[in-house]
Amino acid sequence: GAGVSQSPSNKVTEKGKDVELRCDPISGHTALYWYRQSLGQGLEFLIYFQGNSAPDKSGLPSDRFSAERTGGSVSTLTIQRTQQEDSAVYLCASSLASSNEKLFFGSGTQLSVL
Amino acid sequence: AQSVTQLGSHVSVSEGALVLLRCNYSSSVPPYLFWYVQYPNQGLQLLLKYTSAATLVKGINGFEAEFKKSETSFHLTKPSAHMSDAAEYFCAVSGTGGFKTIFGAGTRLFVKA
Repeated sequence: GAGVSQSPSNKVTEKGKDVELRCDPISGHTALYWYRQSLGQGLEFLIYFQGNSAPDKSGLPSDRFSAERTGGSVSTLTIQRTQQEDSAVYLCASSLASSNEKLFFGSGTQLSVL
Repeated sequence: AQSVTQLGSHVSVSEGALVLLRCNYSSSVPPYLFWYVQYPNQGLQLLLKYTSAATLVKGINGFEAEFKKSETSFHLTKPSAHMSDAAEYFCAVSGTGGFKTIFGAGTRLFVKA
C-alpha cells in the first residue's frame, strides 16, 4: 500500500475485555515496530520485528500484551484483560531493513478503556 | 543499549527567534540519530537523520542538527522560528547492527507571535 495502515482508528472498550489492533506495513519493509504514545510520556517502545529474527519484546509492559507478525507482513497487537492505564495511542511503524533507515508511521489507534 | 534524553518537555520562543531543542543520547555502538516532528493531529514524520556522514545535518523546513560525539548530543536548531513550527519534536537513536529505534519523551515547541 501507499503507507502504513492501522485499524481501527479508534477503539473504546470496557475494562477487562481483550482488544486486537492491526497494522499493515508498507510492502517490502522488513522492520516493524509498535509504540505507545501517552500524554506526556513520549513514544514508548513496545516490540520490534525484523525479518525472520525473533522479535524484540523487551518493551512490552506486562504479559497481558503480545504481538505477532504473520508472513513477514501484517502485525496484530493484542492486549488481554485491558486496564484503564492501557488507554493511549498505539502507533505502528515500518522501515526497510537497515537501522539507519527512517520509520514510516501509521496514524495510530486511539484506545480508550472505560 | 540505547537511550535518549530530551531536555525540556516544553519550549516557547517568539516568532523570528532561534529555536534550540536539546537531545542527548547513550549508545553502546556507533549511533544513528534522528529527529521526527508531529504536527497537531498529524502523524510523525522524519525531519532529519545522522548516519555517520557529515556531522552537521540539514533537514526540512530550515532545521538542522549537529552530531557532537564528545558531548553525546544531537541538538536541533533553526535560526528563525515560524508560527508553523509549533509541533512536538522527538529525538531518536538506533545503531549499527540492526538496533531498534528508541525515542525520547518529546519536546513541545510553542511559537509566540
